[in-house]
Amino acid sequence: QSALTQPRSVSGSPGQSVTISCTGTNSDVGGYNYVSWYQQHPGKAPKLMIYDVSKRPSGVPDRFSGSKSGNTASLTISGLQAEDEADFYCCSYAGSYTPYVFGTGTKVTVL
Amino acid sequence: QLQLQESGPGLVKPSETLSLTCTVSGGSITSSSCYWGWIRQPPGKGLEWIGSIYYSGSTYYNPSLKSRVTISVDTSKNQFSLRLSSVTAADTAVYYCARRDVGFSSSWRGGGMDVWGQGTTVTVSS
Repeated sequence: QSALTQPRSVSGSPGQSVTISCTGTNSDVGGYNYVSWYQQHPGKAPKLMIYDVSKRPSGVPDRFSGSKSGNTASLTISGLQAEDEADFYCCSYAGSYTPYVFGTGTKVTVL
Repeated sequence: QLQLQESGPGLVKPSETLSLTCTVSGGSITSSSCYWGWIRQPPGKGLEWIGSIYYSGSTYYNPSLKSRVTISVDTSKNQFSLRLSSVTAADTAVYYCARRDVGFSSSWRGGGMDVWGQGTTVTVSS
């Protein structure tokens, strides 16, 4: 099972919106609505931002939203803020043989 | 507030077995909506899911590591553990334990890893 494909980096100015893609196959992202997204600041543990494609845990700002179309899931950050600068990883359920697979990771830079 | 804490040796020799324990505090490992897992991150690289366990003992492993990995649970101590055998330098990483709560999901396969330990660095070297 290969890692899900994410762009290495995306960037935007404060207040702008950025979207991170997470591309898999119909055996993982496309086959199930169980995609989650994690934010990781340097030297810190990851933080859950989105689960089940588009649900936000309590405490996560509504600037973060998730969606899915076919084999590609997306995380959109609206109203980009300086503190959003971090690495982001997607993760998908991928079936009973390979239960979970992470994406390659995307560095978000706030210009 | 639920917290997780990893513990174990920071240095392991090649070909030996890496053993880590995750202690759960502020909540019960026998919660019916929670799965307990291990994730690792090699230096400068991305996250890799290692495997997870339910309090009943049901386990789920990454097939790329399955032949070398054992995850177990000790409900009396509110702990779960990771053993990775025959380690090489490629197993050098920060190892995280995490909780996946499916309570708000439509399926046991969903939810997200919402509580993480701080991570522990394991170096494989002679």
